[in-house]
Amino acid sequence: NAGVTQTPKFQVLKTGQSMTLQCAQDMNHEYMSWYRQDPGMGLRLIHYSVGAGITDQGEVPNGYNVSRSTTEDFPLRLLSAAPSQTSVYFCASSQREITYEQYFGPGTRLTVT
Amino acid sequence: EDQVTQSPEALRLQEGESSSLNCSYTVSGLRGLFWYRQDPGKGPEFLFTLYSAGEEKEKERLKATLTKKESFLHITAPKPEDSATYLCAVRGWDTDKLIFGTGTRLQVFP
Repeated sequence: NAGVTQTPKFQVLKTGQSMTLQCAQDMNHEYMSWYRQDPGMGLRLIHYSVGAGITDQGEVPNGYNVSRSTTEDFPLRLLSAAPSQTSVYFCASSQREITYEQYFGPGTRLTVT
Repeated sequence: EDQVTQSPEALRLQEGESSSLNCSYTVSGLRGLFWYRQDPGKGPEFLFTLYSAGEEKEKERLKATLTKKESFLHITAPKPEDSATYLCAVRGWDTDKLIFGTGTRLQVFP
């Protein structure tokens, strides 16, 4: 099992550009989520999904879109990048009802200039 | 509003010097409290889940305990490889979301 994979590892964007952060898991987990981690702020939930075709907003959803067309994939789209979106982004997955322990990917470090 | 506060923000220990990390929480009905370890440049790694007051779990030199208002992560005779940031998170009964604290950065020196 590869677990949770994220691409790219690093990305630099100019203000106004759009891009998609990829996340995939091979553990057949129902629940997937996206977090951002900023110094002194901890991990903050952006969007999450409890299964294919179902998504919902977390604490800081503005400026981001998600979709969940398959169990395995949960991409995060930045619509029009802003410097405030400079952060480290983590994708996570878990078996929703059994244990709720989340398995995190290695992260994407995004810089918006 | 659900909230998690971790203390101290940073902790420096000599190898073998035991100590505890604190996680205070406010949640409308605790469904689970979670401890994670995060190494620099990596994603968090799951350590423990605690579900009810009085529960304890152990893994090597780590022991997590839970009361109705807080959780402690006790580190016994730490080694330099225990150096990491330790994150606490809670989930309430009326939500699918985890709320994370800002973490305690632990450094263990030989």
